[in-house]
Amino acid sequence: DGGITQSPKYLFRKEGQNVTLSCEQNLNHDAMYWYRQDPGQGLRLIYYSQIVNDFQKGDIAEGYSVSREKKESFPLTVTSAQKNPTAFYLCASSAGPPNYGYTFGSGTRLTVV
Amino acid sequence: DQQVKQNSPSLSVQEGRISILNCDYTNSMFDYFLWYKKYPAEGPTFLISISSIKDKNEDGRFTVFLNKSAKHLSLHIVPSQPGDSAVYFCAASGRTGNTGKLIFGQGTTLQVKP
Repeated sequence: DGGITQSPKYLFRKEGQNVTLSCEQNLNHDAMYWYRQDPGQGLRLIYYSQIVNDFQKGDIAEGYSVSREKKESFPLTVTSAQKNPTAFYLCASSAGPPNYGYTFGSGTRLTVV
Repeated sequence: DQQVKQNSPSLSVQEGRISILNCDYTNSMFDYFLWYKKYPAEGPTFLISISSIKDKNEDGRFTVFLNKSAKHLSLHIVPSQPGDSAVYFCAASGRTGNTGKLIFGQGTTLQVKP
C-alpha cells in the first residue's frame, strides 16, 4: 500500500535539545512539505521540497531545518532555537501541481517537557 | 497576513440537515481550491476541489461553490451524517511559481448531532 509514514507518533523534547521527526513516502511523489498545526491557527508551512537536494523555507522556518537526500524521505529537525515547539507536525507529499492535492501523514505530536 | 480565512471556528448541525462551511480568500492569484477533512490526531484527508474556471463541483454528498468576485467558497454537505464530525480546512494555491504550495485556513470544527 502506498502512503506516507510519520514517526514517532508522540515525541517529548527537553529544553535545549534537538529532535528529528521522520517522514517517509512510497508514492513516488516529487514534492514534500512540513506543516505545523496549532489550535486556532490552521496549518502553517515550515519547509517544502520540490525535488531531491533542494528545499525552500515556508512561512515559519525559523528554528527548524530539513534535508532531502532521497526522494522518499524528508526529515524535519526541531532545533533548540525554536522557542515554542510544542505542536502537531504534519508531513505531506504531492505528485506535482496543486490539482493533485496532498497526501498527509498521520502526524507527530511534539511536547516540550 | 491571513490569505485564506475560515471565520467560523465551529458549526453544529442536526443529522440529515445541510452543513455549510465557508471560506474567504484575499489573493486573486489563487486559482485552485481544496477542502480537507481532519479527525483528531490524524492527518487531513482530501475531500473535494475546484478550479477557478468553475463555480461548482459536486461529489456525492459534497458540493463546493466558488464565487470569484466575492473571493468566497463554500462547502455544502447534504445530508449531514454523524461521521462527518471533524475539522474542515479549506486551502488555496496559485499559478505563480507553481510550487504546489497550499495555503490553509484556520479550520472549522463541524459537529453533526444524531
